[in-house]
Amino acid sequence: GENVEQHPSTLSVQEGDSAVIKCTYSDSASNYFPWYKQELGKRPQLIIDIRSNVGEKKDQRIAVTLNKTAKHFSLHITETQPEDSAVYFCAASGYSSASKIIFGSGTRLSIRP
Amino acid sequence: EAQVTQNPRYLITVTGKKLTVTCSQNMNHEYMSWYRQDPGLGLRQIYYSMNVEVTDKGDVPEGYKVSRKEKRNFPLILESPSPNQTSLYFCASGRGLNSNQPQHFGDGTRLSIL
Repeated sequence: GENVEQHPSTLSVQEGDSAVIKCTYSDSASNYFPWYKQELGKRPQLIIDIRSNVGEKKDQRIAVTLNKTAKHFSLHITETQPEDSAVYFCAASGYSSASKIIFGSGTRLSIRP
Repeated sequence: EAQVTQNPRYLITVTGKKLTVTCSQNMNHEYMSWYRQDPGLGLRQIYYSMNVEVTDKGDVPEGYKVSRKEKRNFPLILESPSPNQTSLYFCASGRGLNSNQPQHFGDGTRLSIL
């Protein structure tokens, strides 16, 4: 079945450094790739998304890149700050239905002061 | 205030006792969805609905039922709960995953099935 793999499962970076989280998906028909941030005890919140007709998207310190040929996409956070500490989930959608979505297993990002 | 409201927030119950988790949204969204979150597995979609009387299976629908009789409500029903359904559940609503607007998640419901 459809699958989204996410790596690494945990990531610790020094404040001010960059963090990169990578995901691969199995179904080439996927066309929508959102990223969610979930702080401890809170609900997931969309932070950025990208569609298959775009290779890169940026929003301030956050960027996402998509390689459709290799079926992988990545989240890049630059100049990390303590408030970036959270669990991040990637997801892929659009293959069998525009409303069905598969999430990665999550990356716990810790920012060291 | 735009919100997705889930009830109850916490529930401890026993195997086999039917339960319903309610979800209501006040944003007139067509799309609603249920997810469960388990450690190491991320979020998994249970069921979703694109509009009233239209529901479809997500990735892990076994053991669950849903209904969409009104646009604002999307209850999740566990007819005969089992311990493997102990999890954190989230309801979400939106204009649809292919729209330009994000899903809004509820605060979550933590279910423990003994």
